[in-house]
Amino acid sequence: EADIYQTPRYLVIGTGKKITLECSQTMGHDKMYWYQQDPGMELHLIHYSYGVNSTEKGDLSSESTVSRIRTEHFPLTLESARPSHTSQYLCASSESKGSGYTFGSGTRLTVV
Amino acid sequence: GENVEQHPSTLSVQEGDSAVIKCTYSDSASNYFPWYKQELGKGPQLIIDIRSNVGEKKDQRIAVTLNKTAKHFSLHITETQPEDSAVYFCAASKGYSNYQLIWGAGTKLIIKP
Repeated sequence: EADIYQTPRYLVIGTGKKITLECSQTMGHDKMYWYQQDPGMELHLIHYSYGVNSTEKGDLSSESTVSRIRTEHFPLTLESARPSHTSQYLCASSESKGSGYTFGSGTRLTVV
Repeated sequence: GENVEQHPSTLSVQEGDSAVIKCTYSDSASNYFPWYKQELGKGPQLIIDIRSNVGEKKDQRIAVTLNKTAKHFSLHITETQPEDSAVYFCAASKGYSNYQLIWGAGTKLIIKP
């Protein structure tokens, strides 16, 4: 049973379009994360947040931006999509005490 | 920088046999080591974890062992079944914080019928 929800599951969009990937969790977790992953490959951290109004860039440079206005919501925005942004984007959250991450099902983004 | 090495990248075993995946971490301050299973089209799912004050942990057919001195930890799956086929990721906590994880590159486990 998913406690962290990502929408849309699949998105095909043209170059230059602005997109927002949604991520919401119902567990009250303070920590939230965005990862970029090519199918079955390594997980690359692109953004994280330790609480409301707190956002940081991850290890992998990304042209995307994030916001954290509410605890449960951590959307990711690409202002101008490019084919190089084609990938799977995974959202995750964790409790303050560090009990492991809960991942969403991901958004598979294709930019044509 | 800190890193986690995971081996093998692909593992093929006969159904019913055991599978072992090994990871080595570099950050001596790491104290939390989770394992995740990712099935096709899904996000990774936590299957077992271990903290640095414990050497071994079991959950039915799955076990994890930790050797802090050697900075090694391993996932053991016994009596493998077709539904065990997936990509498995190990991770280690970054420094003394459990909030950020350093990830292994993943192991694709194939269970042959």
